Amino acid sequence: DIVMTQSPESLAVSLGERATINCKSSQSVLYSANNENNLSWYQQKPGQPPKLIIYWASTRESGVPDRFSGSGSGTDFTLTISNLQAEDVAVYYCQQYYDIPPTFGQGTKVEIK
Amino acid sequence: QLQLQESGPGLVKTSETLSLACTVSGGSIRDHNSCWGWIRQSPGKGLEWLATIYYSGIIYRSPSLGNRVTISGDVSKNQVSLSLSSVTASDTAVYFCAKHQTYSNFLFDLWGQGTRVTVSS
Repeated sequence: DIVMTQSPESLAVSLGERATINCKSSQSVLYSANNENNLSWYQQKPGQPPKLIIYWASTRESGVPDRFSGSGSGTDFTLTISNLQAEDVAVYYCQQYYDIPPTFGQGTKVEIK
Repeated sequence: QLQLQESGPGLVKTSETLSLACTVSGGSIRDHNSCWGWIRQSPGKGLEWLATIYYSGIIYRSPSLGNRVTISGDVSKNQVSLSLSSVTASDTAVYFCAKHQTYSNFLFDLWGQGTRVTVSS
C-alpha cells in the first residue's frame, strides 16, 4: 500500500494568515499516461463527512473558495489556505488514488491562533 | 440532487457480521459510469477504504480485509450494502458510503453523513 504522511499534525494560524499543510507519499503518484498527480485533499469539520476540495493535486472542486490551493508533484504535495477564515477550522486529509487500495494521510488539524 | 444515507445497527457483538446499507436518492446506483464505495473512520486507523462496486457489478475489496468484506447493490431499493464478518473491537468506527467522481479513479466527491458502529461483547 502507498503510505501517505502529513505534517504537521496540527497548526494554529491567525485569521487572515496562511496555513500550509504537507503531504508525502511513499511512492510517486504521478500517472505518466496523462501527466497528472493522483492526489486529492479533503476537509472535514466536526460531525461532518470529509468534503473533497482539491483533486489532481491542484484542481479545486466546484464551489471551493480560491483561497484553497494545491501544489506539488511526484511524492511531495502541499495544501495552502491563504487568508484563513474562521470557517476553515477543520481537519484536512490528503489521499492518493494512483493505486488500489486508495489511502489517506492521518490528517492535519487547523485551528485559529 | 444526489444524496447518500447510511443505515445500520449501532451495536454489533464480537464475532458477528456487521451489515450496513447506503440508500441513494436523486440518482440510480446503476447510472452509467457510477461507482460507489465504503470508507470507515476510526481514531486508531484514520480513514480506511473498504470496498467499491461499479455500476456494472465489478467489485474491488481492501486486501487487508479480504474475504471478510462483501459489497453489493440492490437496484430495486437503490441501495449499496456492505457486510463485514467476524467483527472485533478494531472494527468499531464511523462507516461512510461515498460516490466515486468517475469510474476511472478512486476519488470520492460525495459522502453520506456516516453511521457509527460499535463492536462489543
